[in-house]
Amino acid sequence: DIQMTQSPASLSASLGETISIECRASEDIYSNLAWYQQKSGKSPQLLIYAANRLQDGVPSRFSGSGSGTQYSLKISGMQPEDEGDYFCLQGSKFPLTFGSGTKLEIK
Amino acid sequence: EVQLVESGGGLVQPGRSLKLSCAASGFTFSSFPMAWVRQAPKKGLEWVASISSGGGGTYYPDSVKGRFTISRDNAKSTLYLQMDSLRSEDTASYYCARYTTLDYWGQGVMVTVSS
Repeated sequence: DIQMTQSPASLSASLGETISIECRASEDIYSNLAWYQQKSGKSPQLLIYAANRLQDGVPSRFSGSGSGTQYSLKISGMQPEDEGDYFCLQGSKFPLTFGSGTKLEIK
Repeated sequence: EVQLVESGGGLVQPGRSLKLSCAASGFTFSSFPMAWVRQAPKKGLEWVASISSGGGGTYYPDSVKGRFTISRDNAKSTLYLQMDSLRSEDTASYYCARYTTLDYWGQGVMVTVSS
């Protein structure tokens, strides 16, 4: 199975700050990587797919990058509504596997 | 508007069965593969099953293979998850999602396995 190592586990950011979350795959996943945001008590929402493609309706301050085994999600200018949990997902091979998550809070 | 609405959750004893449903609307259900994903309380996400658009292909992780069965009725735009031989570790919120990017998710349904 492909292991997804996500870091950091938690992050505290000030309003307007730029932050990054990383996911490292245990093998090449050929950009089959998505990022999700989950707010408390809600279902996950897709932010980025195919490593760097912004899902319709997602603010442009979110961006994704990476290739091979290393991927990152960047939020350029933290907003209050960005608080929540963030997960990466590899869709290159079954079983699909998620990162362990990053809890993002406002400082 | 795409909508996915799960139902069928509840409290069940270990070893028993439960069947979840997911009613889809707002898109051509028969054109999309679908998936189930679960999340144990205060834990991360775990993929549980996927099914091709026509239903002929199904995929599971080892943790549920042989116990869970994903199926669909394209005429009813409904996805199912039959869960047999349930264990305490299957306790989670279960979400249906549109595959392959998991771009739309339902609100989730809670399954509690306990005696």
